[in-house]
Amino acid sequence: AQTVTQSQPEMSVQEAETVTLSCTYDTSESDYYLFWYKQPPSRQMILVIRQEAYKQQNATENRFSVNFQKAAKSFSLKISDSQLGDAAMYFCAYRRSKTSYDKVIFGPGTSLSVIP
Amino acid sequence: GAVVSQHPSWVICKSGTSVKIECRSLDFQATTMFWYRQFPKQSLMLMATSNEGSKATYEQGVEKDKFLINHASLTLSTLTVTSAHPEDSSFYICSADSIIEQYFGPGTRLTVT
Repeated sequence: AQTVTQSQPEMSVQEAETVTLSCTYDTSESDYYLFWYKQPPSRQMILVIRQEAYKQQNATENRFSVNFQKAAKSFSLKISDSQLGDAAMYFCAYRRSKTSYDKVIFGPGTSLSVIP
Repeated sequence: GAVVSQHPSWVICKSGTSVKIECRSLDFQATTMFWYRQFPKQSLMLMATSNEGSKATYEQGVEKDKFLINHASLTLSTLTVTSAHPEDSSFYICSADSIIEQYFGPGTRLTVT
């Protein structure tokens, strides 16, 4: 069965600095999708970034980028120029395919604090 | 981006009563919707997968007779918590599947007194 692990329950970063959140996963599939979701205090889940496993290039979205290491089954999120609004729970997630019925498997989450 | 709504956003009910939570995809059709439960400071726990026009698929350990799911149309799924008890108090989140990705509703906080 697929599993997602986030080894950092809590992280903190100074405003304007860079922070990296770790995620590892386990799967026997060769093609799949990985996601980072942000859940701010409002509790609305927000998609931060998506990576398709067959793509070698690491995904980037403005200040957010990932380091995808397929062989190591590692998928870390780097947040550059951290802002106060980045404070939230961050969940790493895995999905076997884009087919409906395929559920998303979430990691336990990392709580990120941003220090002004 | 696609929008998913949930209603109500917060509900308080008495022990033994039933409560219905609605999940709507506002600007797209969703063959599949998912229902999650989330306890404070924890991750999302998938409860069931809801498919339009067919019976929901429940995750292991989820009581299907207690958490009734109906996906009557391509834009609406409902979760009914029957005979609610204080231990059912939680935050319930739905998501709707589009071709590209899942879109999440804002969640419903259920408090059973």
